[in-house]
Amino acid sequence: ETGVTQTPRHLVMGMTNKKSLKCEQHLGHNAMYWYKQSAKKPLELMFVYSLEERVENNSVPSRFSPECPNSSHLFLHLHTLQPEDSALYLCASSLGPLRGTDTQYFGPGTRLTVL
Amino acid sequence: GESVGLHLPTLSVQEGDNSIINCAYSNSASDYFIWYKQESGKGPQFIIDIRSNMDKRQGQRVTVLLNKTVKHLSLQIAATQPGDSAVYFCAERENTDKLIFGTGTRLQVFP
Repeated sequence: ETGVTQTPRHLVMGMTNKKSLKCEQHLGHNAMYWYKQSAKKPLELMFVYSLEERVENNSVPSRFSPECPNSSHLFLHLHTLQPEDSALYLCASSLGPLRGTDTQYFGPGTRLTVL
Repeated sequence: GESVGLHLPTLSVQEGDNSIINCAYSNSASDYFIWYKQESGKGPQFIIDIRSNMDKRQGQRVTVLLNKTVKHLSLQIAATQPGDSAVYFCAERENTDKLIFGTGTRLQVFP
């Protein structure tokens, strides 16, 4: 185990639903990330939080809303998603967004299917 | 934009043989590189990293080689085992703290 947990592991939702993905890290890290992994595409960085402050938003549609209440927890709130949003959503954490400390540790991901 | 890519989408090797997975990167300013392994149903797992001031780094059964002249990164796995079957990603860090990932190479180990 990497010390990063994600729930739920699988989620099926309709386009009108509202759901949230949860990530928790037990590594004492200060930075947390959301990635989207689609088939045959590189990992796409969505959001970066450092010390609970959002430092990166990679032009992600507003139907994805992150929340970082503390350095150990990260949420991704979902609403009015589209079928093309179906993917594996990965959370990662690292010691901090500082040069030389970029090893990111990933959770197992949430497999999201939007009907 | 800059991108990281992999030469082979699928690599099949016999158990016990050595595996070499290659990665080309295009940003000469990248100063840090990581290899990740992703097994089915799991998130990417850190394997080994290397900084741009090095050309080789060894771990347990794995070696990463960096050739900055041709912007090439490789991962060598010695005595490949069935448990090594997975998708392998390289990632580079540019002059920010953002990691750019490649699309991945699937390694298949057969008996």
